[in-house]
Amino acid sequence: NAGVTQTPKFQVLKTGQSMTLQCAQDMNHEYMSWYRQDPGMGLRLIHYSVGAGITDQGEVPNGYNVSRSTTEDFPLRLLSAAPSQTSVYFCASSPLGGGYSYEQYFGPGTRLTVT
Amino acid sequence: ELKVEQNPLFLSMQEGKNYTIYCNYSTTSDRLYWYRQDPGKSLESLFVLLSNGAVKQEGRLMASLDTKARLSTLHITAAVHDLSATYFCAVSSGTYKYIFGTGTRLKVLA
Repeated sequence: NAGVTQTPKFQVLKTGQSMTLQCAQDMNHEYMSWYRQDPGMGLRLIHYSVGAGITDQGEVPNGYNVSRSTTEDFPLRLLSAAPSQTSVYFCASSPLGGGYSYEQYFGPGTRLTVT
Repeated sequence: ELKVEQNPLFLSMQEGKNYTIYCNYSTTSDRLYWYRQDPGKSLESLFVLLSNGAVKQEGRLMASLDTKARLSTLHITAAVHDLSATYFCAVSSGTYKYIFGTGTRLKVLA
């Protein structure tokens, strides 16, 4: 199993550009999520999904869109990048059971710089 | 609004010593997670604590949960250099949302 994969590993954008961060998992996990990690602030949840076709907002959803058309993929879209979106982005997945998710498996991260 | 606080934020300790990292959270939750992150790397799950009084141990690390006090601890026994990393606790907010603490950066000195 490859686990959770993310592409690209590094990306530099100019303000106003758009892009999609890719995330895929091969563990058949129902739950997938996106976080951003900024120095001194831990991880903050952007969006999450509990299955194909079901997404919801996390703590910091503004400026980001997601969709979940398959169990495996959960892309994160930045429609108009801003310098405040410079961060490290992590995708994670976990199985669901008993009405909650178990521990999450994290991808390697994407380091995004917006100039 | 659920808030999660960890302390200390930074911890420098000698090999062979014991220490405890604290994770306090502000509202009721019965699920708490501990993760480890090495510099420049991703996060790795350490423990999942699902009920009051839960205690889990792996090697030199032991985690416990007191839901009444809204407190989890991560105890390090006889620290070794390989334990140097940043440790995060995370608490569920509602069923599927997670709030992470700001992390405790641990450095174990030889």
